[in-house]
Amino acid sequence: SAVISQKPSRDICQRGTSLTIQCQVDSQVTMMFWYRQQPGQSLTLIATANQGSEATYESGFVIDKFPISRPNLTFSTLTVSNMSPEDSSIYLCSVRLAGAREQFFGPGTRLTVL
Amino acid sequence: AQSVTQLDSQVPVFEEAPVELRCNYSSSVSVYLFWYVQYPNQGLQLLLKYLSGSTLVKGINGFEAEFNKSQTSFHLRKPSVHISDTAEYFCAVSETRAQKLVFGQGTRLTINP
Repeated sequence: SAVISQKPSRDICQRGTSLTIQCQVDSQVTMMFWYRQQPGQSLTLIATANQGSEATYESGFVIDKFPISRPNLTFSTLTVSNMSPEDSSIYLCSVRLAGAREQFFGPGTRLTVL
Repeated sequence: AQSVTQLDSQVPVFEEAPVELRCNYSSSVSVYLFWYVQYPNQGLQLLLKYLSGSTLVKGINGFEAEFNKSQTSFHLRKPSVHISDTAEYFCAVSETRAQKLVFGQGTRLTINP
């Protein structure tokens, strides 16, 4: 398994501002992912964070709204830009270890936009 | 593309009773299957996984699941639940040649004393 930490754990933000969420893993991983979990809903994949190149976004998510960085094999950031109340969600980072098929999840960042 | 359907949004049971949480998937290719649990205000924890081999897989906390290819199901079971099992349970599928997981809508398991 892997130990994953996220910062911040929660935040309350004003409409129109941006928030950057950090994800740190205790070991080098091949795959890192970012998910959104809207209130009372399931998880939806936002993008796959690729080390050294642009992230791969899922349908309905764009780089201008959710820029992602992955400078190395243990760290990634997700920015939620120009926020609106509809962005209020839990954002989760997950990783997949080399040779494994399952993903391990961080504790999540609970975002509230006023 | 694959999809996952969790047939029950909420399942209330009494403590020490058995429980089954149902999951059906749709895919045109081979898949891997997973069950995750999310306790209140926490991230997701892997309960168990099916990759290949025996269709009955055992996980943590006394849970088990059975893969049924003909019925495209992967139901989760526990013979006797505890109050601490109260949580949201998610079934997920990944095509064997794909990177991403697709999640079901979740089942809220509530244990009554």
